[in-house]
Amino acid sequence: SNVLTQPPSVSVAPGKTASITCGGNNIGGKSVHWYQQKSGQAPVLVIYYDRDRPSGIPERFSGSNSGNTATLTISRVEAGDEADYYCQVWDSSSRHYVFGTGTKVTVL
Amino acid sequence: QVQLVESGGGVVQPGGSLRLSCAASGFTFRSYGIHWVRQVPGKGLEWMAFIRFDGNNKYYADSVKDRFTISRDNSKNTVFLQMNSLRAEDTAVYYCAKDGVADDILDYWGQGTLVTVSS
Repeated sequence: SNVLTQPPSVSVAPGKTASITCGGNNIGGKSVHWYQQKSGQAPVLVIYYDRDRPSGIPERFSGSNSGNTATLTISRVEAGDEADYYCQVWDSSSRHYVFGTGTKVTVL
Repeated sequence: QVQLVESGGGVVQPGGSLRLSCAASGFTFRSYGIHWVRQVPGKGLEWMAFIRFDGNNKYYADSVKDRFTISRDNSKNTVFLQMNSLRAEDTAVYYCAKDGVADDILDYWGQGTLVTVSS
């Protein structure tokens, strides 16, 4: 089955750049979506189809996907970006939707 | 605006059953698939089930496929998750989420309902 591996935590200073990876076998051949979940809240879609942003999501959020790694990048990090982030793919072979293990982003 | 409201959570004994509902508004409900995703408090997201817009295709996570059933009533803009043979490890917050246009993105989420399986 598809396993998506993320680092458990990432720490970043305000104004700096945070990069969150999502590793999976040939993930570059799939579309990757990213969700932000703040404490006590429901998840929110922040990136879809590897690099597209839903309306209302700041341009500071960007994504890329190649080979065995997809990456969510948050530029000019703000305190309000502190949250858990999850990657997700659709595995057509198993007809399962798969979430990554999640990364807690801490703003120092 | 898109709104999804889950209900039906509560406390149930091991081996018992519960039916969750997801009431949708703010979009053409009959045109979109709906997911159920759960989250054990303090843990990650786990996808549970998906039903396509017309109800003709349903997919389940291996951990629940013989115990949970997803269904929908397009006349009432509601999706259901029937959960049988519940176990302590099914204790979680259950979210419903609207799919995007291609059955692969969870673009809007409800606020979740808590299910506790305990004697």
